[in-house]
Amino acid sequence: DGGITQSPKYLFRKEGQNVTLSCEQNLNHDAMYWYRQDPGQGLRLIYYSQIVNDFQKGDIAEGYSVSREKKESFPLTVTSAQKNPTAFYLCASSILGAGSQPQHFGDGTRLSIL
Amino acid sequence: AQTVTQSQPEMSVQEAETVTLSCTYDTSESDYYLFWYKQPPSRQMILVIRQEAYKQQNATENRFSVNFQKAAKSFSLKISDSQLGDAAMYFCAYRSVYNNNDMRFGAGTRLTVKP
Repeated sequence: DGGITQSPKYLFRKEGQNVTLSCEQNLNHDAMYWYRQDPGQGLRLIYYSQIVNDFQKGDIAEGYSVSREKKESFPLTVTSAQKNPTAFYLCASSILGAGSQPQHFGDGTRLSIL
Repeated sequence: AQTVTQSQPEMSVQEAETVTLSCTYDTSESDYYLFWYKQPPSRQMILVIRQEAYKQQNATENRFSVNFQKAAKSFSLKISDSQLGDAAMYFCAYRSVYNNNDMRFGAGTRLTVKP
């Protein structure tokens, strides 16, 4: 079955450490997204990518970085510059120019500070 | 920028009864797409229903239907014959026609279903 796989499910970060969240999709989607979810808030867009080797900042990109070396993969790095990284992170994908087609989501990664 | 407001942080419904979740949005665009997503405790976001703004007819998917009031910028979700499996967070979302990458989510409504 096609879908989006996020790993790990749980991740702990030490002070000053960079951590990378994995997102892989086999839906053959061109567009991929990273969202951050905090309690009482909706999903907020961190980064998105429409094509390999290209990506754009979302509303809250500071302290995060991404890469898109393969169509299937869109890893997110939470850098030490992100001072409040504790949150639930969701990866999504969609066809390009999705219109009414929905974004498909992974199961998420919960990141906590040690 | 467009904003999406869900004014009910929590709702509850008795099993087999009907509940309506509210969503309003702010936009100056005339064409757009609206979605309701469900996030159960497993945390995966699942599409419940979608609506194209140019369509006057309200979307329906089995027990789920929407009341789309374009002039009022309102997009409520009605769940009929509620089931225990409907318990989840529900998010309303707006997507611009002009920028498909710009999807705005409300803060969510937590729905509890009582047996």
